[in-house]
Amino acid sequence: QSVLTQPPSVSAAPGRKVTISCSGSTSNIGNNYVSWYQHLPGAAPKLLIYDNDKRPSGIPDRFSGSKSGTSATLGITGLQTGDEADYYCATWDTSLSAYVFGTGTKVTVL
Amino acid sequence: QVQLVESGGGVVQTGGSLRLSCAASGFAFSIYGMHWVRQAPGKGLEWVAVTSSDGSHIDYADSVKGRFTISRDNSKNTLFLQMNSLRPEDTAIYYCAKKTPGGLVALPDYWGQGTLVTVSS
Repeated sequence: QSVLTQPPSVSAAPGRKVTISCSGSTSNIGNNYVSWYQHLPGAAPKLLIYDNDKRPSGIPDRFSGSKSGTSATLGITGLQTGDEADYYCATWDTSLSAYVFGTGTKVTVL
Repeated sequence: QVQLVESGGGVVQTGGSLRLSCAASGFAFSIYGMHWVRQAPGKGLEWVAVTSSDGSHIDYADSVKGRFTISRDNSKNTLFLQMNSLRPEDTAIYYCAKKTPGGLVALPDYWGQGTLVTVSS
């Protein structure tokens, strides 16, 4: 199983905000950059956040990232039905000498 | 725009081999590292392998080390994954992904649509 733990699911009504946590350790999140990805079934995963809190061009500012200690958080404001997807955090793990992904979180718009 | 198109997936018996390809376009392929990442049915994303821009630095997940080989042909803008001694637990959609610009350790930014590998027992 993954060394990065995410909640299995989060949900909220359209227009509301959700946050997704990603919990790790000093060998991964604590000392390395975190990225976040959105993955819809059958589609290519999409980069939402890189280097903890930076958004690639074309990603709306409704998506935000932060990191504190050994945890990272993805925030989505103004929730839309198109945001229903699986979301993954990822980073490098220095002890494992491997890239690691979080367990994944399914976002449901009620 | 960046395009990554995987091919080569299919059904193979346990112990068999497959070679995946990833055709890249829309960016300077030869100056970027590349990843392979997979997703087993009903499971999350799992990192498989990474190569530097010139193929001189390569890393593998423990689950595939000694069985899979990542390589690239910069003259043809193509990334490969040679998979040997396949096991049922290797059944997954395999994605190639471009590395984010930056240092030796860099996560994926752009991803392909994936190719399905099914290992039958």
